[in-house]
Amino acid sequence: DIQMTQSPSSLSASVGDRVTITCRASQSISNYLNWYQQKQGKAPKLLIYGVSSFHSGVPSRFSGSGSGTDFTLTISSLHPEDFAIYYCQQSYSSPRTFGQGTKVEIK
Amino acid sequence: QVQLQESGPGLVKPSQTLSLICTVSGASITSDAYYWSWIRQHPGKGLEWIGYIYYSGSTSYNPSLKSRLSISLDTSNNQFSLKLTSVTAADTAVYYCARDSDDYTGNYYLDYWGQGTLVTVSS
Repeated sequence: DIQMTQSPSSLSASVGDRVTITCRASQSISNYLNWYQQKQGKAPKLLIYGVSSFHSGVPSRFSGSGSGTDFTLTISSLHPEDFAIYYCQQSYSSPRTFGQGTKVEIK
Repeated sequence: QVQLQESGPGLVKPSQTLSLICTVSGASITSDAYYWSWIRQHPGKGLEWIGYIYYSGSTSYNPSLKSRLSISLDTSNNQFSLKLTSVTAADTAVYYCARDSDDYTGNYYLDYWGQGTLVTVSS
């Protein structure tokens, strides 16, 4: 199985801050990398697919980059509604593994 | 508008079979454009991919669950289902169904999710 490791596991930030979350794959996954946002008690929502493509309705303050084994999700200016847990996921091979999640909390 | 809704018992006894149904609206499960997936989340934990089924009936399962798992289609009702046998407390989780789309580069992503259903395994 491909292991997906996110860092940090949690972070505290203020509204307006720039936030970067890293996801590292245990082997190359090309561009088969997606990001999801999950709020408390809700289902995850797709943010970004294929490293850097926006899902419908996702604000432009979210962006993704990377290739091979190292990827990042950046929130350029944190909004109150962005406090949530973020997961990366690879679809390069089965099983389609997720990272352990990064919790973005209010400072 | 694509919507998915999980349904099934919220309580299952140990050693019995967990059965869930996902009802899809706004999209056809017989479309060759999508896979239909199950994902679960243990309480307070991260996401675990369970498996998917394609319109043709072909499936892919997480090896950690493969010996106990079955995913099938009910095309007449636009539903797909999950059966997990011989459950234990370790199978207690929120179970989500989701649509799996591709971006035509080979990457697949879960673009629509059900709200999730908590299944507790307990006697």
